[in-house]
Amino acid sequence: AQSVTQLGSHVSVSEGALVLLRCNYSSSVPPYLFWYVQYPNQGLQLLLKYTSAATLVKGINGFEAEFKKSETSFHLTKPSAHMSDAAEYFCAVGAGYALNFGKGTSLLVTP
Amino acid sequence: DTAVSQTPKYLVTQMGNDKSIKCEQNLGHDTMYWYKQDSKKFLKIMFSYNNKELIINETVPNRFSPKSPDKAHLNLHINSLELGDSAVYFCASSQSVLSGPGELFFGEGSRLTVL
Repeated sequence: AQSVTQLGSHVSVSEGALVLLRCNYSSSVPPYLFWYVQYPNQGLQLLLKYTSAATLVKGINGFEAEFKKSETSFHLTKPSAHMSDAAEYFCAVGAGYALNFGKGTSLLVTP
Repeated sequence: DTAVSQTPKYLVTQMGNDKSIKCEQNLGHDTMYWYKQDSKKFLKIMFSYNNKELIINETVPNRFSPKSPDKAHLNLHINSLELGDSAVYFCASSQSVLSGPGELFFGEGSRLTVL
């Protein structure tokens, strides 16, 4: 079954620092991978998705992720954190008719 | 105009009661979902319908019954509510699962609190 593991339930960075949120996947077929963001009391919003076209995927709000098959990883990065990036981030993998989500990583941005 | 809208946004009710959550999408999508997000933020798929047909029915108590009157609507009815049902329930839609796993568009969630 397709699944993802997010390493680190909480990540804290300073404003302006690099953001790195880790996601490893397990899939018996070429995976469809996604990153979503959830702001407090809101639904999930797509940041970016990988569908085998290019290994480096650019998303909204300056985020990008790189698909590395050899490492079964799809880590999310942003060069410079902004206070408004503080939120919950979910990695997800296509699994049949639905998406399976990781447990989420809460990103805290300090001034 | 909200793409995926759920009502109500908040429900507070007593154990044993029955409640419903409604969801509508105006994106013209064929597939709709219910996900449950627990207190630890973990998201788990419950049900999915493609063009009014049930295609995913995860291990969920029989007290939960989804209904899709048409492909733009997916409702969730919960009987005999229990404390453990307290969670945020998200409705989502996608273009069509028949073309492979695609982006999900989420509603804002319905926070259910069972006392």
